[in-house]
Amino acid sequence: DTGVSQDPRHKITKRGQNVTFRCDPISEHNRLYWYRQTLGQGPEFLTYFQNEAQLEKSRLLSDRFSAERPKGSFSTLEIQRTEQGDSAMYLCASSLVWGTDNEQFFGPGTRLTVL
Amino acid sequence: SQQGEEDPQALSIQEGENATMNCSYKTSINNLQWYRQNSGRGLVHLILIRSNEREKHSGRLRVTLDTSKKSSSLLITASRAADTASYFCATALFNSGNTPLVFGKGTRLSVIA
Repeated sequence: DTGVSQDPRHKITKRGQNVTFRCDPISEHNRLYWYRQTLGQGPEFLTYFQNEAQLEKSRLLSDRFSAERPKGSFSTLEIQRTEQGDSAMYLCASSLVWGTDNEQFFGPGTRLTVL
Repeated sequence: SQQGEEDPQALSIQEGENATMNCSYKTSINNLQWYRQNSGRGLVHLILIRSNEREKHSGRLRVTLDTSKKSSSLLITASRAADTASYFCATALFNSGNTPLVFGKGTRLSVIA
């Protein structure tokens, strides 16, 4: 499968625990994006990378959220000290920088439930 | 905050009918995109229309763009049960190429067989 993959697909955790999600983009894509989606809403941008450089992180929801893309390939999103309000679908997308079009390819998402 | 707002929020039609969804946005754009999301899944890119285009077709999809009104519409012709999904319009967050996207709340389409 050459699409964007995310792992795990589902995560149930208790409040206060740390969780980490992984995203593997399409191999030749140099841009990688993280979004969060809550029920009934569209995806909300969190952060993005070009290769290993994090280009924007001010929209991460709090300092409990962090993301890395250490080798410019896969990325991880970590949430520390989870809260019930963190329950959502976390989506990863990737794209190839070319021209001005910004079509993005999304993974299936990781659904987080915080109890 | 979300830039695009889709209308209606929900739409239910019979198989074979056409479905029209509208999107309004707030700032100037280079392009506007439409995505589909099946329940609980990731988003799938449907079509991109550039700011200098007024209409674009792809299979059973027709997208229009009116930059003077800051609005776009997505028409699905001869709908099928498999078209049941949420549809989102998206515009660029920053005024440059290949930026993160801003999505509306989406239109939930139900196609009844």
